Formats: sequence, structure tokens, C-alpha cells
Amino acid sequence: GESVGLHLPTLSVQEGDNSIINCAYSNSASDYFIWYKQESGKGPQFIIDIRSNMDKRQGQRVTVLLNKTVKHLSLQIAATQPGDSAVYFCAENIDQAGTALIFGKGTTLSVSS
Amino acid sequence: GAVVSQHPSRVICKSGTSVKIECRSLDFQATTMFWYRQFPKQSLMLMATSNEGSKATYEQGVEKDKFLINHASLTLSTLTVTSAHPEDSSFYICSASLQAKGNTIYFGEGSWLTVV
Repeated sequence: GESVGLHLPTLSVQEGDNSIINCAYSNSASDYFIWYKQESGKGPQFIIDIRSNMDKRQGQRVTVLLNKTVKHLSLQIAATQPGDSAVYFCAENIDQAGTALIFGKGTTLSVSS
Repeated sequence: GAVVSQHPSRVICKSGTSVKIECRSLDFQATTMFWYRQFPKQSLMLMATSNEGSKATYEQGVEKDKFLINHASLTLSTLTVTSAHPEDSSFYICSASLQAKGNTIYFGEGSWLTVV
């Protein structure tokens, strides 16, 4: 796999590699976190979420890790595919009805064959 | 699953005119909808929170008289960009909150506005 520093705007990987995208969030009161994928010209697409009572959650080929101590969130994509190329955003909010998601700055993932 | 629809997906308007963008929740009632703006190669920035039957809450720096938001029903919120200028050209995205599913939030596909 390939590790990256916090909030790296772009990440380039080879097909089949594991990708790790990092995000630092700002609000210590946030207790709900989501990773979104956005393809060019489209709205955000939900990937995976995690609540603050967990530190890890796995989906299909994706894993989200949450470190509340340092307010850090990461998205791991296993066996990255060209179709994973997109911009990835983390978003946070306080898990209450009517509370907006606040988005991080995004990381562009480029997967080459 | 729940779907949020935006219309139009793309619109071009002349500088000085107004343009309306609609956001509909197609199969659920959304008491709260959110409007975001996204400039190229940037993140989504929250503009306002729209609550059905009450005035929208705008984020700091967003002009409420320029970006009129109306949430007249539980399935429709509209954003009207008044007296549009080229710098208002952007990707506008709405989302709706489905409280029955633990405050799950669904996003529309976005509306591209180009002001010429």
C-alpha cells in the first residue's frame, strides 16, 4: 500500500495497490463521519460512514479508521481499480436531525493501469 | 433507496438575470434540506440550511438576498440566484435529510450554473 501525509491534494497509485486517503477534521463535537466519492460533474456518492463510538468500520474493499484523539479520519481502499479514480471527501457533522455535513478539502485519487 | 433530484442539471443565464434551481426528495419527506456550492477543484461549501415552512439559515458570508431559498413543502426546496454575475457560476448541490433513517443524508446530482 501507499501511505500519504494528511490532506494530500492528489494521490496516484497503480491498479491493484491499496490506497490510503487521510482527513483531519476540526470539530471535536462531531460524532458522525462520512466518506464520499465524487466523479467529475456529479454529486457526492456515499462510500462508508462511521460514528464516534467506533474506531474502525469495514465495507466492501473499503475501511474507514477514526482516531478521535488526534481528530483524524482515513479511508483505505483495497486493490484499487481504475474506476476508483475520483475526488474523495470526508465530511463530518453532529449526528442530530437537521444538522448539515461539513466537507473537508478533498483528495484526487488517480489510478493507472 | 431514497432519491434527491435537482433540476435543471445545467443552466446558462445572462448576467443580471435570476435563475431558479429545484431540489426534490422523490420518495421521502425531508424536513431539512441543505444547499452547497462547489467551485472547480474545490470542496463543497455549505450555503444554507433550509427548513420546511420557515426561513433558511445562511452560513456566514452568503448573501441571503442574493441566494433566495424557499422550502414550501416537505419534498421541494428551491434556490434562486438573483441578479446573477459570472462569479456566481458554480456547481450547486442540494441534500436532504431523512430523519426516519437516523438522519441519513442524500445528495442530488447537482446543477451547473454558468452566467455569461
